[in-house]
Amino acid sequence: ETGVTQTPRHLVMGMTNKKSLKCEQHLGHNAMYWYKQSAKKPLELMFVYNFKEQTENNSVPSRFSPECPNSSHLFLHLHTLQPEDSALYLCASSQVSGGQNIQYFGAGTRLSVL
Amino acid sequence: SQQGEEDPQALSIQEGENATMNCSYKTSINNLQWYRQNSGRGLVHLILIRSNEREKHSGRLRVTLDTSKKSSSLLITASRAADTASYFCATDTNAGKSTFGDGTTLTVKP
Repeated sequence: ETGVTQTPRHLVMGMTNKKSLKCEQHLGHNAMYWYKQSAKKPLELMFVYNFKEQTENNSVPSRFSPECPNSSHLFLHLHTLQPEDSALYLCASSQVSGGQNIQYFGAGTRLSVL
Repeated sequence: SQQGEEDPQALSIQEGENATMNCSYKTSINNLQWYRQNSGRGLVHLILIRSNEREKHSGRLRVTLDTSKKSSSLLITASRAADTASYFCATDTNAGKSTFGDGTTLTVKP
C-alpha cells in the first residue's frame, strides 16, 4: 500500500463513451501527477498539479481532461478516446521540497479502448 | 528525447548473481532516483542520490553517480527471483518534475 489509490483498476470503453479515472492520496502531499504508460514506450508525463494548480500539460489531446478539486484528489476525464489511448494510466503524488521529488504511485488503471 | 536512458533494455540472470543497470542523461540534475515496477503495477521508489553524492547504499542496492559522465548505475547484489521487475531511473532538474527513462527489464531465474 503506497498511500495512493486509483480506481477503477481496469476499464474497457468504447470510443464514444465518457468515463473518469480517480486518484486519491492519503499522504498529505502537495503535488499530483498523471502518467501514461504504453507497451514498449517510456513513461509519459501528462499533467502536473501543484497545490491544486495545473503547472504542466505535456501537449495532451483535449479528449483527456484533468480535474484537481483539492490536494488529495485528482481525476482524469475521458471522452471520445481512440484505440491508441489504450494504456496503463498511473497517478502519483509527491511532497516537493528541497529540490527532491520522490513520487508515490498508485497501482494504475488499465484502460482498453475498443 | 528522454532525459534518462537505461542500458541494457533487458537483462536475464540466475538467482544469486549480481545485476547492473546503467542510466545516462543529458542535462544537469539536482538528484537522480531509481524506481522499480512490477508487471502492470505502479512504480515504487528505491533510492535517491543527490548530485553531490557519488555512491549510496540501501540493503542489497548500490547506486553510483558520475555527474561528469552524466551517468548512474544501479547494482543489485545476490539477486532473488522476487527482484524480477522493470527498473527506471528518473532525473530531477526542477522542483516538482522528474523525467523517467525507458527502463531495464530484469528477469531473475530461480
